[in-house]
Amino acid sequence: EAGVAQSPRYKIIEKRQSVAFWCNPISGHATLYWYQQILGQGPKLLIQFQNNGVVDDSQLPKDRFSAERLKGVDSTLKIQPAKLEDSAVYLCASSLRTENTEAFFGQGTRLTVV
Amino acid sequence: AQSVSQHNHHVILSEAASLELGCNYSYGGTVNLFWYVQYPGQHLQLLLKYFSGDPLVKGIKGFEAEFIKSKFSFNLRKPSVQWSDTAEYFCAVNGGGKLIFGQGTELSVKP
Repeated sequence: EAGVAQSPRYKIIEKRQSVAFWCNPISGHATLYWYQQILGQGPKLLIQFQNNGVVDDSQLPKDRFSAERLKGVDSTLKIQPAKLEDSAVYLCASSLRTENTEAFFGQGTRLTVV
Repeated sequence: AQSVSQHNHHVILSEAASLELGCNYSYGGTVNLFWYVQYPGQHLQLLLKYFSGDPLVKGIKGFEAEFIKSKFSFNLRKPSVQWSDTAEYFCAVNGGGKLIFGQGTELSVKP
């Protein structure tokens, strides 16, 4: 069974530039999560989708971050414009449903903003 | 608001020592509980999970955890650690369909 795929693996951009991350979840998984993991901290939930609808985006800085999951499968997370403090690993995870199931994680995208 | 707290930021043990990592959460309803591990350079992997039933759950690589509902705790244990257990360990709680992580505990095992 293929795992959660993310791209790119690494990205370096200058502040005020824009960047997009892509995630392909495990086939059949209805729930998709985006997390931000700053060095030395635990993953912080940015946004959670159930199929193509948003379940929770309370921690998403909506003035600069956006995410979509148009067909209920792949998802993109965008940052525009980026700030230095956005430097982190962005993790995508998926699960069969929202409860009583485990989440599977991708390798993550390491973003460096200079 | 839902939250997860891990007691130790960095733990250093010698091989064969016993391990216990603390995890407490705050959420008023039914929860699913998890421990994930992240080995250097690898992605997060599930160690063990609790959904319901026996509060003592066993996971991979000899790890186990006990859910104590009255203490809102889900501590991770291993009787004898190995050098290969060196990694970062994350406790996670799913309350109401929202999966939240603790800040992580870095475990270093000296050979």
